[in-house]
Amino acid sequence: DTGVSQNPRHKITKRGQNVTFRCDPISEHNRLYWYRQTLGQGPEFLTYFQNEAQLEKSRLLSDRFSAERPKGSFSTLEIQRTEQGDSAMYLCASSLGDRGQQETQYFGPGTRLLVL
Amino acid sequence: GDSVTQMEGPVTLSEEAFLTINCTYTATGYPSLFWYVQYPGEGLQLLLKATKADDKGSNKGFEATYRKETTSFHLEKGSVQVSDSAVYFCALSDPDTGNQFYFGTGTSLTVIP
Repeated sequence: DTGVSQNPRHKITKRGQNVTFRCDPISEHNRLYWYRQTLGQGPEFLTYFQNEAQLEKSRLLSDRFSAERPKGSFSTLEIQRTEQGDSAMYLCASSLGDRGQQETQYFGPGTRLLVL
Repeated sequence: GDSVTQMEGPVTLSEEAFLTINCTYTATGYPSLFWYVQYPGEGLQLLLKATKADDKGSNKGFEATYRKETTSFHLEKGSVQVSDSAVYFCALSDPDTGNQFYFGTGTSLTVIP
C-alpha cells in the first residue's frame, strides 16, 4: 500500500530563490491538499484540488505561491522569490470523496523548507 | 469561522497513567472530528475520527466522543505507554465551509518509564 509521498524531504535555499515541491497522492484519490505547518503550530490550509481543478485557495497563499495538478495525479507547489517567513514544513494530503462528503485526509511526510 | 482549540502542552506522564487531551471546536455546520498523531520524524497519521454527534472513535486504546452539546472531542487513553509519546492534533472538517481541515495547535505528550 503506497501512501502519500513528497519530494524533496528537505530543502535549503537562499532568500529570493524559487523552489518547487512535488506531491504524489494515493493513486485512487481524487482530492489533494497542501498545508503549511510552522513550529509549534498545527497545519494551516493552503489550497485544494479536486482532480485537476484547483477549487479553494487560502488567503495565506500569496501571489508568490502557485500550485498545479496538471493531470489530476501528482501536484507541485512552487514558491517564487522565497522569503525567510516561508520557512516551514509543507504538507500534502489526499483523500477520496464526492461533493459534500466528509472524508479522511491522508498526509505525506512533508517537505521542510529553510530559507536563509 | 471554524476553529479548533486544543489543550496546551507539553504533557508528561508516567507509563500506565491515564491520559486526557482536551479539544473544543467552533463550526457553522455539522463537522466531522478527527485526532491525528505525529510521531517523531514522521508525518501526520489518522488516529481516530467521528462523523456525527455521540459517535465514539477508537483506535489503539485511544477514544474520543463527539459531544455536540459541549462542542468537544476530548482524547482519552486509560493506560499510556512510552510508545505513545508523540504530538496529537485535533482537527475538524466542515462541508459547509469547504473541504479543508482546521487543526488545533497540537499537544506534545511524553511518556516516561
